[in-house]
Amino acid sequence: GQNIDQPTEMTATEGAIVQINCTYQTSGFNGLFWYQQHAGEAPTFLSYNVLDGLEEKGRFSSFLSRSKGYSYLLLKELQMKDSASYLCAVRDGGGATNKLIFGTGTLLAVQP
Amino acid sequence: GAVVSQHPSRVICKSGTSVKIECRSLDFQATTMFWYRQFPKKSLMLMATSNEGSKATYEQGVEKDKFLINHASLTLSTLTVTSAHPEDSSFYICSARYRGGHPYEQYFGPGTRLTVT
Repeated sequence: GQNIDQPTEMTATEGAIVQINCTYQTSGFNGLFWYQQHAGEAPTFLSYNVLDGLEEKGRFSSFLSRSKGYSYLLLKELQMKDSASYLCAVRDGGGATNKLIFGTGTLLAVQP
Repeated sequence: GAVVSQHPSRVICKSGTSVKIECRSLDFQATTMFWYRQFPKKSLMLMATSNEGSKATYEQGVEKDKFLINHASLTLSTLTVTSAHPEDSSFYICSARYRGGHPYEQYFGPGTRLTVT
């Protein structure tokens, strides 16, 4: 079956660094995505990893280890506006389908 | 950038009635659209995948006769919740992938909050 796990909630302090982990067990794998979602809004794309290693994009970085079925999202220099849910999603097939399987989501609260 | 809209943004309907939600790609042709539902404080659950001009592919456990999906054109997909019940109350989100776009990118609509009374 498909299983994507993330911590349910995390709390961090403004200006700090936080790492949100994601582990997955899926029937197929063709890339892992991280999305940010504020309450009542649509998810917005943050990052995409298909090869092992670290992808850095400004304050956000994402890491992937395919052999371990593991990824993390690293947020640096946290700001209050970073308070949101962070969704890990695995693309389980190739071609035109592009189906994403979402994890449970991690609700991050950034405190002053 | 690629923009996806949904209409309505919020809808309240009575139990037993049907409600239609529209998903439009505003500035691109969407070869594939996806419909998700999301319960409070939960993640997105894929309901179905629709390709323009063909029948939707439903995920296991999703009733195709209850959640009717039509993708009649390259810019419009509709989800109709038939004979709605209070347990259908949820946040429904569509996403679209466009022809010629990066294969990994989906663009999400702003969502529709459905409340069935």
